[in-house]
Amino acid sequence: QSVLTQPPSVSGAPGQTVTISCTGSSSNIGASYDVNWYQHLPGTAPKLLIYRNYYRPSGVPDRFSGSKSGTSASLAITGLQAEDEGDYYCQSFDTSLGTALFGGGTRLTVL
Amino acid sequence: EEQLVQSGGGLAQPGGSLRLPCAASGFTVSSYDFHWVRQSPGKGLEWLCAIGVAGETYYPGSVKGRFTISRQNARNSLYLDIDDLRVEDTATYYCTREFCGGRGCPGWNYMEVWGKGTTVTVSS
Repeated sequence: QSVLTQPPSVSGAPGQTVTISCTGSSSNIGASYDVNWYQHLPGTAPKLLIYRNYYRPSGVPDRFSGSKSGTSASLAITGLQAEDEGDYYCQSFDTSLGTALFGGGTRLTVL
Repeated sequence: EEQLVQSGGGLAQPGGSLRLPCAASGFTVSSYDFHWVRQSPGKGLEWLCAIGVAGETYYPGSVKGRFTISRQNARNSLYLDIDDLRVEDTATYYCTREFCGGRGCPGWNYMEVWGKGTTVTVSS
């Protein structure tokens, strides 16, 4: 069981919008630690998708957006494309554990 | 271009030891914090350890004592040593560089550069 909880899977048709949640606690997200999101496509290395809650690295389409509130964060993907299919992970830091940590990951299926 | 080039990995025996190298290209390892992350078959990403610019190290309880992260500035490389290998250590291992927000790279930041990964299979 991950300290950061994500839904195991989400799905949507091309062009639709999906949201992936990441729920933590007062010792990580709620402790004002930033949330970062990574996209992990089959056969590739994970790629930074959103950093510091809502910033996009250069080259990441604005279809991807992040938000954070309280002890949770969310990743929204609008205008779904087939190439978005893969796994998405939230990541933060925990003051009680003194470590970085990942959410359990969410598998996105584009129908 | 800034890259992390991974090597090593392969088949290893239970109870044995393994060193995974990660060579930096286009930047110097002494200026950044680094992490190792793995993905076991059918599972999600698991954070393994980190090393700061001052050499301080961090581990989760699940690997403490068996995993050692280190850096060799002369070789511009990062390493992960795994002792007492277990079948459950079978995974793809990634080295990753953390964004540095200033002198001494304070605080925890996002992982901005990733190696392509190296696969370790632990089996007799």
